[in-house]
Amino acid sequence: GENVEQHPSTLSVQEGDSAVIKCTYSDSASNYFPWYKQELGKRPQLIIDIRSNVGEKKDQRIAVTLNKTAKHFSLHITETQPEDSAVYFCAATNTGNQFYFGTGTSLTVIP
Amino acid sequence: GAGVSQSPRYKVAKRGQDVALRCDPISGHVSLFWYQQALGQGPEFLTYFQNEAQLDKSGLPSDRFFAERPEGSVSTLKIQRTQQEDSAVYLCASSLVFGGFSYNEQFFGPGTRLTVL
Repeated sequence: GENVEQHPSTLSVQEGDSAVIKCTYSDSASNYFPWYKQELGKRPQLIIDIRSNVGEKKDQRIAVTLNKTAKHFSLHITETQPEDSAVYFCAATNTGNQFYFGTGTSLTVIP
Repeated sequence: GAGVSQSPRYKVAKRGQDVALRCDPISGHVSLFWYQQALGQGPEFLTYFQNEAQLDKSGLPSDRFFAERPEGSVSTLKIQRTQQEDSAVYLCASSLVFGGFSYNEQFFGPGTRLTVL
């Protein structure tokens, strides 16, 4: 099956700086890669996703890049704000049903 | 109109007890998923349904775990003879359509935190 690895496990940045979280996957058939944000004690919420026919996608301060050859994808958050503090999970799937999640990155934005 | 709801939000069980966790998906959502999230880990897939059909249960850790969705809406995850290693947050998610060519967002519920003593 698919194996998704996520780094770093914790990340602290100053407010206004950028944050980058990286994930690698093992199954070359995976073709959909969502990113979820989970605030403490709350449910995961989709913040951005990318499909394998696209190399980059951007939504305001958030962007995701995908390198199919290297089998890795990254989340980029620019101009970070304290409310960006949360745990971020990447995921991969080749069926749209069984999502394989990374182990999460705890992001802290220091005011 | 809300989102996915789950009950109970917290459950404490003595080892060996049976528990039943409920998920109410968003109305009209065809697909329903169950995940297990251990402390400090990402969600791990357990099983999913398309309407009332359980199409994949490969993630269920043992035959003590059983899930059903008899009428294609509400789903119940049952754990028999609970063990301490079953302690985790159990997340339910639903999506509008079946996967395949259209990858729809999975909307998550708040989870049920199960603690087995």
